[in-house]
Amino acid sequence: QVQLVQSGAEVRKPGASVKVSCKASGYTFSNYYVHWVRQAPGQGLEWMGIINAGAGSTTYAQRFQGRLTVTRDTSTSTVYMDLSSLRSDDTAVYYCARELRTGATSGAGYWGQGTLVTVSS
Amino acid sequence: EIVLTQSPGTLSLSPGERATLSCRASRSVSSNNLAWYQQKPGQAPRLLIDGASSRATGIPDRFSGSGSGSDFTLTISRLEPEDSAVYYCQQYGSSLRTFGQGTKVEIK
Repeated sequence: QVQLVQSGAEVRKPGASVKVSCKASGYTFSNYYVHWVRQAPGQGLEWMGIINAGAGSTTYAQRFQGRLTVTRDTSTSTVYMDLSSLRSDDTAVYYCARELRTGATSGAGYWGQGTLVTVSS
Repeated sequence: EIVLTQSPGTLSLSPGERATLSCRASRSVSSNNLAWYQQKPGQAPRLLIDGASSRATGIPDRFSGSGSGSDFTLTISRLEPEDSAVYYCQQYGSSLRTFGQGTKVEIK
């Protein structure tokens, strides 16, 4: 069965960076796109970016351009989300999610458990 | 980017009633590439509807999606207590995916 297992909670100071991992299993890793979505406390879902796990190509939401880097390691079927220059309003639960079908033509049918990132001085 | 506006913000209904949730896009969503998600407190979102009207695997048939272009609707035909949640629409017709702000469904 498809599983996405994320790394554990992180605490960072303002200005620092954080790297969250998302290890995939149960499917052919390179065939699917993986998203990163975040949710600040009490707020809605915010789409951050997407990676083609096969080609490694990425697209980022404009508001994260220059601060967000999404990469993948095909040898370990793991996707990484690296967010730099952290601010207090980056405090959120960060989710990875895999599309339901191949080819970036569907919604996200599988989600990781979420990783809480807390930014505090 | 395509902005999705959901309404109403909160819906408070009794079990057995019908819930109608709206998602309006700032411009047409190509190929009706729109999804609906359900999120309960402390849980990851769950895909309900894909392609505007196709139920995901295991989703009860009381959930249905409709619409095209820039106007989409999620209908819950007979509310159950476990349907209490926040519902989000998301478009994937553009390379820059976006979510609506969510509609909270409360069961009286």
